[in-house]
Amino acid sequence: NAGVTQTPKFQVLKTGQSMTLQCAQDMNHEYMSWYRQDPGMGLRLIHYSVGAGITDQGEVPNGYNVSRSTTEDFPLRLLSAAPSQTSVYFCASNRPNTEAFFGQGTRLTVV
Amino acid sequence: AQTVTQSQPEMSVQEAETVTLSCTYDTSESDYYLFWYKQPPSRQMILVIRQEAYKQQNATENRFSVNFQKAAKSFSLKISDSQLGDAAMYFCAYGDDKIIFGKGTRLHILP
Repeated sequence: NAGVTQTPKFQVLKTGQSMTLQCAQDMNHEYMSWYRQDPGMGLRLIHYSVGAGITDQGEVPNGYNVSRSTTEDFPLRLLSAAPSQTSVYFCASNRPNTEAFFGQGTRLTVV
Repeated sequence: AQTVTQSQPEMSVQEAETVTLSCTYDTSESDYYLFWYKQPPSRQMILVIRQEAYKQQNATENRFSVNFQKAAKSFSLKISDSQLGDAAMYFCAYGDDKIIFGKGTRLHILP
């Protein structure tokens, strides 16, 4: 039982490049979410999903795409990376009305 | 939209003393959950305590307890007998179909 697994742990991108952050959970949780953490800003919700095939925007969705084709996976796509997307990204999963379980985070630097 | 406000960016407490971290939130929902998470330097997100909004009784977990005031939309965390290992960022969070976080309070423990 691995919980929530994020890959990669570290990534450096050049401005304009695209990439996908992977997130997988093996707890059969219905809900999955992506957050970014910046100094002094806490964790801000990017996108979330309440089930396979269902996604919705969070507080800071611009520049990011998501899809949820299976219960287990919830990838986050950066279509054209910008320096403002330099951050630590967390994926989380939970059952309805319960606490979220988090991955270890991905530190992304865009140069 | 739901919001979570933590008005204390940093706090310090002497070892073995008691400290209270403040949190207020805003929502029009009647059924929701509230959480406190701890984030040590390892970046791992650790659930400290959770509170169901329909329960009047304040949640407790060993040295951690909350003061939940639903009408005032307040959810403070009390840490008793503070220990050096309690030093971390603490995040207050609100949950319904998504989980929203405050900006955090950095807690320092003074030996």
